[in-house]
Amino acid sequence: GAGVSQTPSNKVTEKGKYVELRCDPISGHTALYWYRQSLGQGPEFLIYFQGTGAADDSGLPNDRFFAVRPEGSVSTLKIQRTERGDSAVYLCASSPGPNYGYTFGSGTRLTVV
Amino acid sequence: AQRVTQPEKLLSVFKGAPVELKCNYSYSGSPELFWYVQYSRQRLQLLLRHISRESIKGFTADLNKGETSFHLKKPFAQEEDSAMYYCALVWAGSYQLTFGKGTKLSVIP
Repeated sequence: GAGVSQTPSNKVTEKGKYVELRCDPISGHTALYWYRQSLGQGPEFLIYFQGTGAADDSGLPNDRFFAVRPEGSVSTLKIQRTERGDSAVYLCASSPGPNYGYTFGSGTRLTVV
Repeated sequence: AQRVTQPEKLLSVFKGAPVELKCNYSYSGSPELFWYVQYSRQRLQLLLRHISRESIKGFTADLNKGETSFHLKKPFAQEEDSAMYYCALVWAGSYQLTFGKGTKLSVIP
């Protein structure tokens, strides 16, 4: 597609449930990033993929968070046993390579009630 | 650890007035610095990066290594400049962006 697509745009879930957030990067972009933006804060790094592998997952807050990119294109961020503190906008970005500028998606607003 | 500080949460200026959005960073090496902008109901997008030395939409930013600052400036603010502005850095050899908390610019007609 022409840009980075994220679905759903909004997700409301109950505490303790499992959620999946999807990111469809720009075609041909090998680098894919997930960021999380809490209210009143700038985006914070979660994980970086180069191709199919997670090159850096140091930003994932705990083991309830996991992300995959099995074919080197679409990525899914998975959150188990959601907590109210997980409520945030989850941003995906892609780039042609690790040292190029990012293109961000519109984000998924996750609300845990 | 690297840190980006934007001291103003909100900045209001009149149309036609000069604008300066402040950004300071703490990092001992040679970072690459960026300004990102998010207009209402739009996605985060790159405004400018210091290595390109461009002027985008009339905005410029100069990297001052002595003061560890990368302030964003525009001589005459326009109403369409109203948006959230984020300063960000990448340290040498990395790809992770570290963002400031952002400054909301409001241009008063």
